[in-house]
Amino acid sequence: SQQGEEDPQALSIQEGENATMNCSYKTSINNLQWYRQNSGRGLVHLILIRSNEREKHSGRLRVTLDTSKKSSSLLITASRAADTASYFCATVDRGSTLGRLYFGRGTQLTVWP
Amino acid sequence: EAGVAQSPRYKIIEKRQSVAFWCNPISGHATLYWYQQILGQGPKLLIQFQNNGVVDDSQLPKDRFSAERLKGVDSTLKIQPAKLEDSAVYLCASSLDGGGRAEQFFGPGTRLTVL
Repeated sequence: SQQGEEDPQALSIQEGENATMNCSYKTSINNLQWYRQNSGRGLVHLILIRSNEREKHSGRLRVTLDTSKKSSSLLITASRAADTASYFCATVDRGSTLGRLYFGRGTQLTVWP
Repeated sequence: EAGVAQSPRYKIIEKRQSVAFWCNPISGHATLYWYQQILGQGPKLLIQFQNNGVVDDSQLPKDRFSAERLKGVDSTLKIQPAKLEDSAVYLCASSLDGGGRAEQFFGPGTRLTVL
């Protein structure tokens, strides 16, 4: 079964605006990862945030993690048309030795020029 | 650095036929994963290899799906016989770390349509 659930399912914005996507999960985690998938392509890893971290940055990306609320958010600042893609959060359960990733259904982001 | 390679990119078969997918992971990556991604959903793990051994196949429908990773490098995933509900994108991924502490690198996927 899938672990993370992204919200919203779809998001449409103009270039230059910020995009915020949220992810909620149900179990205790070791880490949470965000991936991007362009149409017809494989997934690309964006950021990994560990359970003892609260915030991470990578370029125009900012990820927060609130383990008390079992939620994470991905912020893309100054969005570009090239950011149009599906964004997935994936979790690794705490104590997992195999490190299985549980993906949500994703948020489809459309950035209009 | 070359990425994860998969072939074919597309495959159309009729139900009850068999099909095989091939994956070549990033050189040096000991862990290899096969995922199934149904349209509108996130990827679901089918099987995980550590070198040439299976470490997790709990979600693999073993009555029809099989996978192998000979010599701990390339891998093949086979479906026999295929059902309509097997229509999906099959993604291969590899990672340096099999414990979920590192990122996974994904191939472009094979889009399977079962008619």
